[in-house]
Amino acid sequence: DAGVIQSPRHEVTEMGQEVTLRCKPISGHDYLFWYRQTMMRGLELLIYFNNNVPIDDSGMPEDRFSAKMPNASFSTLKIQPSEPRDSAVYFCASSNRTGLNEKLFFGSGTQLSVL
Amino acid sequence: QKEVEQNSGPLSVPEGAIASLNCTYSDRVSQSFFWYRQYSGKSPELIMSIYSNGDKEDGRFTAQLNKASQYVSLLIRDSQPSDSATYLCAARVMDSNYQLIWGAGTKLIIKP
Repeated sequence: DAGVIQSPRHEVTEMGQEVTLRCKPISGHDYLFWYRQTMMRGLELLIYFNNNVPIDDSGMPEDRFSAKMPNASFSTLKIQPSEPRDSAVYFCASSNRTGLNEKLFFGSGTQLSVL
Repeated sequence: QKEVEQNSGPLSVPEGAIASLNCTYSDRVSQSFFWYRQYSGKSPELIMSIYSNGDKEDGRFTAQLNKASQYVSLLIRDSQPSDSATYLCAARVMDSNYQLIWGAGTKLIIKP
């Protein structure tokens, strides 16, 4: 299995531009999570999906952020318009169950820099 | 008080010694606990999970959970330079099937 695949690996953009991050979860996993990691705030859950349905988006910072999962093998996280404070590493993770021993499989992450 | 707290380090340990990483947690998170390792510039990967009081061993790694004192530890025996990484403690929120609260991570440096 190729693992969780994210693209792009690096994204540099200017403030005000739209940014789209992409994720392909591990086949057969029915949970997908979007995380953001910064030095100041650590790892934060933004939103998660179960069977392609958004379950909890309370971690999404504001309306500039949106996420979709049109099918079981693809998800996007969009920021429009982007701001310098959005600069972070964005991880996508998937899992095939929740519960006491849930294991998250993380993608390689997207390093986003907003100038 | 943060819900999951870790000393940010860095924790420096000589090669071959035991590295001890600690994590304390609040009442809101107390179902199960996870230790993830994250190398610089890489993504987190699960090392161990634990949800029962006591010790759980896996190779050179031992996770310890003490619910009365609300702490969870990770011991790494015979530390190797390849163990140098940031170790993230995560805990599941009570009555939640999915929500994990993450500590800020402890940076571990194993000196040859």
